[in-house]
Amino acid sequence: GAVVSQHPSWVICKSGTSVKIECRSLDFQATTMFWYRQFPKQSLMLMATSNEGSKATYEQGVEKDKFLINHASLTLSTLTVTSAHPEDSSFYICTGRGSSYNEQFFGPGTRLTVL
Amino acid sequence: GENVEQHPSTLSVQEGDSAVIKCTYSDSASNYFPWYKQELGKRPQLIIDIRSNVGEKKDQRIAVTLNKTAKHFSLHITETQPEDSAVYFCAASRGGNQFYFGTGTSLTVIP
Repeated sequence: GAVVSQHPSWVICKSGTSVKIECRSLDFQATTMFWYRQFPKQSLMLMATSNEGSKATYEQGVEKDKFLINHASLTLSTLTVTSAHPEDSSFYICTGRGSSYNEQFFGPGTRLTVL
Repeated sequence: GENVEQHPSTLSVQEGDSAVIKCTYSDSASNYFPWYKQELGKRPQLIIDIRSNVGEKKDQRIAVTLNKTAKHFSLHITETQPEDSAVYFCAASRGGNQFYFGTGTSLTVIP
């Protein structure tokens, strides 16, 4: 299957700082990438849909000014958590989908801890 | 939007027995239903999927059934093994776009 990477794999930051998470498709062009967050022992919640070259589409209840998404190329999408607070601590996972796929390929996830 | 419910939240079975996990969805336009297995601290892995033009699909010990009319689909694992222990998620999607996940089922296979 196709490979999606994320960087960093884990990050610890102080409250009030911003954190950028990168999602890359390594061997395919991901016209669409999706961002999910997963709290411990809970399900994956879709945050936003990121389309290359256009603005992200956010799910209801997700603050677009807090979770900035940029999809500048067919292989890279970034999620920036601005002014992070402890309640933003979570596991953030991206997926990539090629133009001809139904399947989404998951990145390994980024564990964010905000102190 | 789509709402996916999944049951049970936890499931324990004896090794060799079968396990069944059920999901319901709300959006009749959903047409793609993948199942993922997630081990602790790891990314979800696709184990089987089904499209709305098919009622059943099988891959070795794993099978998925879909009832479009009732808007529910199920995962069946036969001859369970300890390595099947994990959290399983169902999802519903329109054409592979946004995936809406169920709440997950923690499966424990007892040796």
